[in-house]
Amino acid sequence: AQSVTQLGSHVSVSEGALVLLRCNYSSSVPPYLFWYVQYPNQGLQLLLKYTSAATLVKGINGFEAEFKKSETSFHLTKPSAHMSDAAEYFCAVSERNAGNMLTFGGGTRLMVKP
Amino acid sequence: SAVISQKPSRDICQRGTSLTIQCQVDSQVTMMFWYRQQPGQSLTLIATANQGSEATYESGFVIDKFPISRPNLTFSTLTVSNMSPEDSSIYLCSAHLDRPQYGYTFGSGTRLTVV
Repeated sequence: AQSVTQLGSHVSVSEGALVLLRCNYSSSVPPYLFWYVQYPNQGLQLLLKYTSAATLVKGINGFEAEFKKSETSFHLTKPSAHMSDAAEYFCAVSERNAGNMLTFGGGTRLMVKP
Repeated sequence: SAVISQKPSRDICQRGTSLTIQCQVDSQVTMMFWYRQQPGQSLTLIATANQGSEATYESGFVIDKFPISRPNLTFSTLTVSNMSPEDSSIYLCSAHLDRPQYGYTFGSGTRLTVV
């Protein structure tokens, strides 16, 4: 079965600093990979996804993620954190079969200090 | 991508009662999914719902506790039955348009508190 590991349940950065949220997956075949953001009292919003095109994927709000097959990783980055980035971030994977559900990592709460 | 309207957005319920959560999608989707997010936790899949067939439940979830309906390709309901305080969670529905690589859209969630 798929599993997703997000290192660091809480990450704190200063405003303007680099954001790095880590995600590793377990799968013998590269799955589809997603990053979602959840703001307080809201549902999940798709930030970006990897579906076997370019390994560097650009998403909304200045976020990007790089798929590294050798490391089974899909880390999320943003060059400069903004206060509005404070939220919960979830990495998720889906197997390459139509209809398969998402498996989520444990989530990382990003805190941005002024 | 599809847009999902989920209601109610929140509710406070007495233990022993049941609550039905509805999700309406603005386009036809083959599969819908129901997740539970316990306080401070990640999302756990409850079940997968196909139109015209019984839902498929994940380990630890049973139909008697979480009955699901999927009467057509744009609508689904999840009922939380005989509630206890341990059922207090956020419940979310999700769908993808035909192919999982297009991403999954989520409803805004139902925040349930059982007292």
